[in-house]
Amino acid sequence: GDSVTQMEGPVTLSEEAFLTINCTYTATGYPSLFWYVQYPGEGLQLLLKATKADDKGSNKGFEATYRKETTSFHLEKGSVQVSDSAVYFCALYKAAGNKLTFGGGTRVLVKP
Amino acid sequence: EPEVTQTPSHQVTQMGQEVILRCVPISNHLYFYWYRQILGQKVEFLVSFYNNEISEKSEIFDDQFSVERPDGSNFTLKIRSTKLEDSAMYFCASSPPGINTGELFFGEGSRLTVL
Repeated sequence: GDSVTQMEGPVTLSEEAFLTINCTYTATGYPSLFWYVQYPGEGLQLLLKATKADDKGSNKGFEATYRKETTSFHLEKGSVQVSDSAVYFCALYKAAGNKLTFGGGTRVLVKP
Repeated sequence: EPEVTQTPSHQVTQMGQEVILRCVPISNHLYFYWYRQILGQKVEFLVSFYNNEISEKSEIFDDQFSVERPDGSNFTLKIRSTKLEDSAMYFCASSPPGINTGELFFGEGSRLTVL
């Protein structure tokens, strides 16, 4: 079945450091790919998405590119802030079934 | 900004008891979902609901679970006889009408602790 694998955390960074969170997926067909973020005490919220190969999703300084050849969707941010401290979830979606399949989540802690 | 709200935020129950978790989806949304996350594990799909019936469910969603939209605003998850392994954070989500895109709006979650 479909699955998503992402790097385990926690990832601890200093402010203004570069962040990368690796995500790879296994799926048949052509899924859409997502990053959701969960800030402390809040629900998951959509960060960015890409719906087809080579698409780049971006939001709030974060970027991820849909790489079909490597089945990856790595999340990057060039300069993190303390407010980026959260748990980040990579996910794939297929319209047939209408459900998200999530990775295990990566906790990121940014220190001042 | 409209949001999905869930109650209770935390419930502690004894094994074998019935639990109802409540959700108020965003008002013009038509698709509703429950996901759960056991501590330290992945967020897992439980069930999706559309047009007053279940559209998809996972193997986790066995006969102990049921969902209902009893009125125009609430969407509930009932666990008939809780087990220790039902302890988890349960997330409700909804998505708007139109072509499904995977963009879900999640509530803050209800933490269930089964003793």
